[in-house]
This record gives sequence, C-alpha cells and structure tokens, in this order.
Amino acid sequence: DGGITQSPKYLFRKEGQNVTLSCEQNLNHDAMYWYRQDPGQGLRLIYYSQIVNDFQKGDIAEGYSVSREKKESFPLTVTSAQKNPTAFYLCASSGWGDADTQYFGPGTRLTVL
Amino acid sequence: GQNIDQPTEMTATEGAIVQINCTYQTSGFNGLFWYQQHAGEAPTFLSYNVLDGLEEKGRFSSFLSRSKGYSYLLLKELQMKDSASYLCAVKDSNYQLIWGAGTKLIIKP
Repeated sequence: DGGITQSPKYLFRKEGQNVTLSCEQNLNHDAMYWYRQDPGQGLRLIYYSQIVNDFQKGDIAEGYSVSREKKESFPLTVTSAQKNPTAFYLCASSGWGDADTQYFGPGTRLTVL
Repeated sequence: GQNIDQPTEMTATEGAIVQINCTYQTSGFNGLFWYQQHAGEAPTFLSYNVLDGLEEKGRFSSFLSRSKGYSYLLLKELQMKDSASYLCAVKDSNYQLIWGAGTKLIIKP
C-alpha cells in the first residue's frame, strides 16, 4: 500500500528546543517537499529535494534544516532559531516533471509552548 | 512577484452547482492544479490542467485559460462532504508550485 507517512500527527515542544518531524514515502518518487501552512495562508515551501543527498531552500527556510540520506526519507528539523514554529507541517512527494502531481502526507501539527 | 488569487469563502446549497475561480500571475506556467483540503487534513489532488479548455472528472470539472491567467473549478450536485477548502496552485518556470490561500466552501442543507 503506497503512500506518505508523517509522524507524529500532533507534537508539543517547549520554546528553545529543536524538534525533528519525520516523512517517509514508498511511492518511489524522486522529489520530496516540506511545506508550512498557517491559518488563512497558502502553503509555503520550506525545503525541497530532487535527489538523494541534495536539497534546496524554499521561500521560508530560515530556522529549519533537512537531510536526504535515503530516497524514501526527508526529515525536517525545526530549530530554536525559528521564531514562530507553531504551524501545520506538510510533507509531499512527486516525480519530477510538469505533469507530476505532488501527493501529501497527513501532516504534523506542531505547537511550541 | 508571483500571485494566485481565489475568493476566501463561498457558500452554496446541497444539490446545487458552484464555481470557484482562480487567477494567477506567475513567472512561467507549467500547469495548474486543484486540491481539496478538509479541515485539519492534508490536501488531496483533484485535477490538473496544462492546456486551455475543460477537464471533467465526475462531479468535478476544471477549466483553464492561459491567455487570461484564469481557471475555475466547477462542482456539481453538491454534497455535504464537499465542505472543504479548495486550493489552486500553479507550477512555475522552476517547476515549483505557487499556492493560493484557498477557498473555504460551506455547503448548507
């Protein structure tokens, strides 16, 4: 059963702590993405990766870091440098081309207290 | 800059038809996507348009006019489960998706 998994669904952290959100896909997709969604706003791209061991900053990369050591996995670390980390985080994957659709994991809702 | 505009909220009646519009200004165009997102859930893919015209998929249809920078999503025979946000996204010249803020559709009995 192919898909994208993110865990956990809800995450609470104290201010000043780093936290890592996991994203795994078994769709054999080359590209993976991390988005942030805030109420009333469109999805904003944090980081994306087109191939293993390579990734690019999106529009709002400050305060975040990623790695892509395996094709299936693209974890996102929210560091203490991110000023407003409370948000809904969505991971997606796709092939690489104009018609390739991005498919999303269920998301992780991060709340920093 | 790049911009995608959609109405913030729309209301329609169960069984009726609703059209959700999307206008865009992007650097390049490599296709337009519509997604559905229920509250608290991830977006799910609905449709893709890259050529002008209408694409029909059951109760949902999507239209594109590249010269006008315009698309719409048409939902027929509305059901209560269609209450959701509808996101318009355009793939730009760098093959990145530029997202609109979404249209919240409220269906009333």
